[in-house]
Amino acid sequence: EAGVAQSPRYKIIEKRQSVAFWCNPISGHATLYWYQQILGQGPKLLIQFQNNGVVDDSQLPKDRFSAERLKGVDSTLKIQPAKLEDSAVYLCASSLDTSQEDRVFNEQFFGPGTRLTVL
Amino acid sequence: ELKVEQNPLFLSMQEGKNYTIYCNYSTTSDRLYWYRQDPGKSLESLFVLLSNGAVKQEGRLMASLDTKARLSTLHITAAVHDLSATYFCAVDKTGYSTLTFGKGTMLLVSP
Repeated sequence: EAGVAQSPRYKIIEKRQSVAFWCNPISGHATLYWYQQILGQGPKLLIQFQNNGVVDDSQLPKDRFSAERLKGVDSTLKIQPAKLEDSAVYLCASSLDTSQEDRVFNEQFFGPGTRLTVL
Repeated sequence: ELKVEQNPLFLSMQEGKNYTIYCNYSTTSDRLYWYRQDPGKSLESLFVLLSNGAVKQEGRLMASLDTKARLSTLHITAAVHDLSATYFCAVDKTGYSTLTFGKGTMLLVSP
């Protein structure tokens, strides 16, 4: 079974530029997550989708970050304009279906991440 | 706000020794996850603990959960170099797998 795919793996931009990341979840997974992991810290949830609807985006800096999940499969995360403090690894994860009570469905599987450096 | 604290944040140990990593969290939850992350790599799921008293073991690692104390432990038995990595615990407060992670424990096992 193929895992969560992300691209690009690395990106270097200058501050005030825009950048977009792409994620393809595991086939059949209804729930998709974007996390930001700053060096030396644990991942922080930015946004969670259930199919193509947003479940939680309370920690997404909406003045510069946006995300969408068209057709409930692939997702893109965009930063516009980027700031120095956005330098981090952006992780995408997916799980089967968190609307189910059976918690087996809730285990998250992570992609390889995109390492963003903002100069 | 849910807080998840791990200690120690850095652990250097010799091969063959035993040690425990602690994960405390600040609000009621009965779902706790342990992940491993190698340098430059993504997170690999190690254990999912779903109820009070849950204990799971895989090789030299054993995880347990005490929901009353809001504490999980990851015990390492007879450490080997291959266990060198950063270990994260994460707590699901909402029931929708909205995870809050600790800062991680960087484990270095040397001969």
